[in-house]
Amino acid sequence: GAVVSQHPSWVICKSGTSVKIECRSLDFQATTMFWYRQFPKQSLMLMATSNEGSKATYEQGVEKDKFLINHASLTLSTLTVTSAHPEDSSFYICSARDSGYGYTFGSGTRLTVV
Amino acid sequence: QQQVKQSPQSLIVQKGGISIINCAYENTAFDYFPWYQQFPGKGPALLIAIRPDVSEKKEGRFTISFNKSAKQFSLHIMDSQPGDSATYFCAASIGAGSYQLTFGKGTKLSVIP
Repeated sequence: GAVVSQHPSWVICKSGTSVKIECRSLDFQATTMFWYRQFPKQSLMLMATSNEGSKATYEQGVEKDKFLINHASLTLSTLTVTSAHPEDSSFYICSARDSGYGYTFGSGTRLTVV
Repeated sequence: QQQVKQSPQSLIVQKGGISIINCAYENTAFDYFPWYQQFPGKGPALLIAIRPDVSEKKEGRFTISFNKSAKQFSLHIMDSQPGDSATYFCAASIGAGSYQLTFGKGTKLSVIP
């Protein structure tokens, strides 16, 4: 089946630094990828939709200058959290829509900003 | 705003029992209804999904029941096992357009021996 690889699985960074999270579709081409944020014991909150070769579409309230998304190829999308602060600490998850009309999720990235 | 309402928020079931989680939606344009299972610290994994042209779909111990007129769908886990203890999310999406998934708020299932 479709596999989405997300790295790193966890990262600790200092306040003010930037962190990049990668999301790769391993065995299919993903025209569209999604980035979610999940707080403890809560549902997934869609942050942005990324389409290969075009600018990402951000959900209302999500700062596009803080959460930079790049979808340069059909198998790779990246989320960069710029100038991270403790309030950005969260669980970030990517998802890709595969050709079978399903959605496959990455394993998530636990970001802790200290 | 598109919504998917999920209940209950938490569920405790004895081993061997049936776990039932319900979801209701508002947007009649939804045409894809998946259920995801999520373990702590992991991303959601697709469990089973259904389209509105069928009323029931079964895969192993997992069954989705779909009621188009009531705009409701539910997940039934038969012979629940401790390994099924996880958070379950229902979701819905529209075939055309942005393809975004709209998630329910989740149900934390605990299966006790």
